Amino acid sequence: DIQMTQSPSTLSASVGDRVTITCRASQRISIWLAWYQQKPGKAPNLLIYKASNLQTGVPSRFSGSGSGTEFTLTISNLQPDDFATYYCQQYNIDATFGQGTKVEMK
Amino acid sequence: QVHLVQSGAEVKKPGASVRVSCKASGYTFTGYFMHWVRQAPGQGLEWMGWVNPNTGETKYAHEFQGRVTMTRDTSISTAYMELSRLRSDDTAIYYCARVYSADDPFDIWGQGTKVTISS
Repeated sequence: DIQMTQSPSTLSASVGDRVTITCRASQRISIWLAWYQQKPGKAPNLLIYKASNLQTGVPSRFSGSGSGTEFTLTISNLQPDDFATYYCQQYNIDATFGQGTKVEMK
Repeated sequence: QVHLVQSGAEVKKPGASVRVSCKASGYTFTGYFMHWVRQAPGQGLEWMGWVNPNTGETKYAHEFQGRVTMTRDTSISTAYMELSRLRSDDTAIYYCARVYSADDPFDIWGQGTKVTISS
């Protein structure tokens, strides 16, 4: 099974900050990587697919990069609505999620 | 508009079974795979498996093989996930999520169904 490891687990930031979350796959997954945002009590929401493609309707301050085993999600100019938990997911073979990164207010 | 609407919360005893439904609307039900994901309280997301609504083919995560059954009823555009021999650590929110193909992410999710296992 492919394991996904995110870092950090928690990130403290302020409005306007640039935030980067890293996701590492235990084996190469090409670009079959998605990022989701989840707020308390809600289902996850797709942000990025195929490592760097922005889902329709998602603000352009979100961006993704990487291929193979190393991936990043960047939020530039962090907004109040962005405080949430973020998950990476590989869908190269079945599906596996990272353990999540909580972005909290500093 | 595309929607996945799941059934309501359940409380079950250990050893029992639970069936969660996921009704699709706004798209061609048989054109997309339906995956199931669960989230234990305060924990991350765990993939459980998928059903192909067109063919009925299924694939389950190793952790759930032998306990989970995913089915569908195309006449009412509804997918089902049944989990048997329930344990306390099956307490979680269960989500259905739509996927177009193996090369696509989960683009639409249901609202979640809370399943509580308690004696």
